[in-house]
Amino acid sequence: EVQLVESGGGLVQPGGSLRLSCAASGFTFGSYVMRWVRQAPGKGLEWVSSISGSGDSTYYADSVKGRFTISRDNSKNMVFLQMSSLSAEDTAVYYCSKGIMGATKAFDSWGQGTLVTVSS
Amino acid sequence: EIVLTQSPGTLSLSPGERATLSCRASQSVSSTYLAWYQQKPGQAPRLLIYGASNRATGIPDRFTGSGSGTDFTLTISRLEPEDFAVYYCKQYGTPPKFTFGPGTKVDIK
Repeated sequence: EVQLVESGGGLVQPGGSLRLSCAASGFTFGSYVMRWVRQAPGKGLEWVSSISGSGDSTYYADSVKGRFTISRDNSKNMVFLQMSSLSAEDTAVYYCSKGIMGATKAFDSWGQGTLVTVSS
Repeated sequence: EIVLTQSPGTLSLSPGERATLSCRASQSVSSTYLAWYQQKPGQAPRLLIYGASNRATGIPDRFTGSGSGTDFTLTISRLEPEDFAVYYCKQYGTPPKFTFGPGTKVDIK
């Protein structure tokens, strides 16, 4: 069974940094694209970032480019999201998700999410 | 940049009724990259449909995705109590990025 467990969320001051982690199990981790998606309170879903299975390719939404860095450790089945220069607009539940095998780029498994609150 | 519009914003129906949800793109979208997700309060989203018309693993056959180009539809043939939720469509385009629609809430009439 695929499991994705996020951690690292919490309260951070504007301008601060935070590192989110996602522990994966139940699948061949290094074979799959991993992604982060966020959801501000009461709002819709927003894709944040993607990383290829090898970690060689990374992609970011314009709203986080230059401030967030996605990475992975395939030896530990972990994916990370380093967030810096945080603002209130980054307050959201952050979900880790696994890409489906094949060309469709769907997100077929999701973690339970970790809440990031940016506030003074 | 492709914008997805979902309608209606809210759909009020009774169990057993048919639900028809629309997702319209501002320009043509590859069907390969069109997906639908269901989200219930306090839960993570769940993949329902990928490639516009393929049901994800474990998704009941009352869920059907269709469409092409700029117009896509998610149909729930007979609403079950567990189907009342928010539904999002999503597309993938270039530069590599994903866009979600604003969602359609299906609630109990």
